[in-house]
Amino acid sequence: GENVEQHPSTLSVQEGDSAVIKCTYSDSASNYFPWYKQELGKRPQLIIDIRSNVGEKKDQRIAVTLNKTAKHFSLHITETQPEDSAVYFCAANRGNNDMRFGAGTRLTVKP
Amino acid sequence: NAGVTQTPKFQVLKTGQSMTLQCAQDMNHNSMYWYRQDPGMGLRLIYYSASEGTTDKGEVPNGYNVSRLNKREFSLRLESAAPSQTSVYFCASSLASYNQPQHFGDGTRLSIL
Repeated sequence: GENVEQHPSTLSVQEGDSAVIKCTYSDSASNYFPWYKQELGKRPQLIIDIRSNVGEKKDQRIAVTLNKTAKHFSLHITETQPEDSAVYFCAANRGNNDMRFGAGTRLTVKP
Repeated sequence: NAGVTQTPKFQVLKTGQSMTLQCAQDMNHNSMYWYRQDPGMGLRLIYYSASEGTTDKGEVPNGYNVSRLNKREFSLRLESAAPSQTSVYFCASSLASYNQPQHFGDGTRLSIL
């Protein structure tokens, strides 16, 4: 099955700085890569996703890049704000119901 | 429009007791999922239902059963609870069975003593 590794496990940045979270996947058949944000005690919520026919996608301060050859994808958050503090999960899906999640990155944005 | 609703929100069981976690969605989604979330391990798929009338095992199905009651509802049953099943359980749904974003419920925090 698919194996998704996520780094770093914790990330602390100053407000206004950029944050980058990286994930690698093992199955070359994976073709859908969502990112979820989970605040403490809350549900995971989709913040951005990318499909394998696209190399980059951007939504305001959030962007995701995908390198299919290297089998890795990254989340970029620019101009970070304290409300960006949360746990972020990447995931990879092989085109079936088998969505595999990374272990998560705890992002802390210091004011 | 509530999205995905899970009940109960919290539950404490004794080892060996049984329990059913309920999930309902009002987005007319075809696919539904049950995950468990443990510290440092992300979300792991227990069972899923690609469409009404079908269910399949995920990554960690042992000790669980599911029922897709109708298009809206998907329940998860623990027949004989074990301490290793202490976790936060999330239900999710998506429009189609692949390459679609999943929408999560608020979770059920389950402790087994």
